[in-house]
Amino acid sequence: DAKTTQPTSMDCAEGRAANLPCNHSTISGNEYVYWYRQIHSQGPQYIIHGLKNNETNEMASLIITEDRKSSTLILPHATLRDTAVYYCIVRVDFLDDKIIFGKGTRLHILP
Amino acid sequence: KAGVTQTPRYLIKTRGQQVTLSCSPISGHRSVSWYQQTPGQGLQFLFEYFSETQRNKGNFPGRFSGRQFSNSRSEMNVSTLELGDSALYLCASRSDGRAGYGYTFGSGTRLTVV
Repeated sequence: DAKTTQPTSMDCAEGRAANLPCNHSTISGNEYVYWYRQIHSQGPQYIIHGLKNNETNEMASLIITEDRKSSTLILPHATLRDTAVYYCIVRVDFLDDKIIFGKGTRLHILP
Repeated sequence: KAGVTQTPRYLIKTRGQQVTLSCSPISGHRSVSWYQQTPGQGLQFLFEYFSETQRNKGNFPGRFSGRQFSNSRSEMNVSTLELGDSALYLCASRSDGRAGYGYTFGSGTRLTVV
C-alpha cells in the first residue's frame, strides 16, 4: 500500500501558486519524498525529490516539514499545462526498485 | 537525448490471445521497470529488470512475464489475455546505482482486450 495521503482533487487559478500537500507520517529516516505527475494519456513525469531539506528546481519547489511527516509541492505560477494527477511517493532510493503509487491529487488549473 | 520508447502505442487483442510489448530505455540506463495502469487499480508495479535479470516482481499472475536483452531493451508478455488485462502498460528506465535519480517513463502502450 502507498505510504502517503493526498487530497483527491484541487483547483488553482492560472498564474497563482499551486500548493499540493502530502502526508507521510510513517516515513522512515532513509526514505526520500518523490513527486511525479501524469498528464492525461502520458506516462508519469518526475518533478522533484528530497530527503530532509527543501528543494527547488526549474519545475517546482518541495517543502518538507522538520519532522518529515508531511510535505508540500509548490508550482509557483501554475499554467493550464500543469493540469495533471500529482503523485507523492516515499521510497528508499537506490535499493528499492519499485514505485508504489497512491491515488494522487488531480489538479485542475482554472483559466 | 531520446526518451523511453514503447511500441506499439495502441493494441487490440482478443481474449485468450497473447501479446508482447516492447520498451527501449534511455541510452545508458540499465534498469527497466514495467507498470500496469487501470482506472480501478491505478498504477501497479509489474516487474523490474537490471542487466537481463529480474530483480523485483509485483503481485501479478504468472501470465505476465518479461525479459531484458543485453542492450537493455525489454519486452513484457501477457499470455491467455483476459478482459481485465485491458490497461495502459508503462515502462520506466533509470540509471541504476546512483542515489537520488528518479525514473523516466515512456508514453505507454494502451492494450484493449475484446
